[in-house]
Amino acid sequence: GEEVAQTPKHLVRGEGQKAKLYCAPIKGHSYVFWYQQVLKNEFKFLISFQNENVFDETGMPKERFSAKCLPNSPCSLEIQATKLEDSAVYFCASIGAGIGTDTQYFGPGTRLTVL
Amino acid sequence: ELKVEQNPLFLSMQEGKNYTIYCNYSTTSDRLYWYRQDPGKSLESLFVLLSNGAVKQEGRLMASLDTKARLSTLHITAAVHDLSATYFCAVVETGTASKLTFGTGTRLQVTL
Repeated sequence: GEEVAQTPKHLVRGEGQKAKLYCAPIKGHSYVFWYQQVLKNEFKFLISFQNENVFDETGMPKERFSAKCLPNSPCSLEIQATKLEDSAVYFCASIGAGIGTDTQYFGPGTRLTVL
Repeated sequence: ELKVEQNPLFLSMQEGKNYTIYCNYSTTSDRLYWYRQDPGKSLESLFVLLSNGAVKQEGRLMASLDTKARLSTLHITAAVHDLSATYFCAVVETGTASKLTFGTGTRLQVTL
């Protein structure tokens, strides 16, 4: 498609529960990025993929966060044993093969609320 | 570690007047982006600036980049109400592919 799609729009979890978020990049885009936006507008980079390969995972809290981009499937971001501080909006973005100069196009986000 | 600062954090603008938002960053950068975010919405791409001296304009918004000063500005000409939103600059640090480091955001509110 021509837009980055993210599901679900909203997700509510109790502390300790698992949360799984999905992202379908724009068709033909090779790179996928995940960002976390917390309440004070701060954006934090989590992880990026080039097709199904991890490209940069320097922002991932590895103990509880994992992510995948498998062929012919939406990419996913999974949080095991959610904590209150995981409450945020999670944005996915994609970029075409011209990673050097292209704009990242952002999806609508998934709002995760951990109670 | 790359730091990106924007100021002001909040700007109350009168319709018809001109304003400027500043974006400073701490290390060398491959490129700089400006995004707009409406409340509860996603990020809309406004500009990408690739080189020193780059200037881009779209409607009432004009963005420029000075890589020597590590500074970008977003200039608003004759503000109108529909420009009310939060504006973010985002920087790609040299050698980090396309990982974006965002500024703190500037919330613009245009009043009559």
